[in-house]
Amino acid sequence: DAKTTQPPSMDCAEGRAANLPCNHSTISGNEYVYWYRQIHSQGPQYIIHGLKNNETNEMASLIITEDRKSSTLILPHATLRDTAVYYCIVRVAHNAGNNRKLIWGLGTSLAVNP
Amino acid sequence: ETGVTQTPRHLVMGMTNKKSLKCEQHLGHNAMYWYKQSAKKPLELMFVYNFKEQTENNSVPSRFSPECPNSSHLFLHLHTLQPEDSALYLCASSQGSLAGGIDNEQFFGPGTRLTVL
Repeated sequence: DAKTTQPPSMDCAEGRAANLPCNHSTISGNEYVYWYRQIHSQGPQYIIHGLKNNETNEMASLIITEDRKSSTLILPHATLRDTAVYYCIVRVAHNAGNNRKLIWGLGTSLAVNP
Repeated sequence: ETGVTQTPRHLVMGMTNKKSLKCEQHLGHNAMYWYKQSAKKPLELMFVYNFKEQTENNSVPSRFSPECPNSSHLFLHLHTLQPEDSALYLCASSQGSLAGGIDNEQFFGPGTRLTVL
């Protein structure tokens, strides 16, 4: 079962910031939060990941609360091409050794409107 | 070609057919994955290969048979499928490690849309 909860859909005006929330209240101390997105008719695309600190790259910023029970993905200036399903994922340890597993949910369908 | 490619992009097959899906990655990665994406359901991990060795089989029925001849190629052989196997099948790759750990920054192909009649 997914360890994250996201709103099923959101809208955003083109050029404005898109703030996508995610709840992961049962996250453990060594579990990372990953974000991917899936544009229609394409495979998922990695965006960003983090553990405790806020992270930023050329695509987005990830803000993680101090208690790590929730996070927000920020697309600072959304464009029409950012319309996609955004997945917030917790990476869990699932067997002996170093293997970790991404637990996918249903994501948030973001519509960026002109 | 760059990235992760998958062929065919669309496939329609009967329940008695045998077919194969192909995935190729041009990223120099050593870990490869098969996922199943059904409508209204989360992405399901099926198989993981790390340096050509299968490290994960997520209780997948034997009518799905993966093959990883080298770190750049991954196949999914299909036989006697059921209509409920109709889905988008996604291949992904990432950095692998001989120590066993794999990088979860995965690069996905566009998928094969499979319809089983």
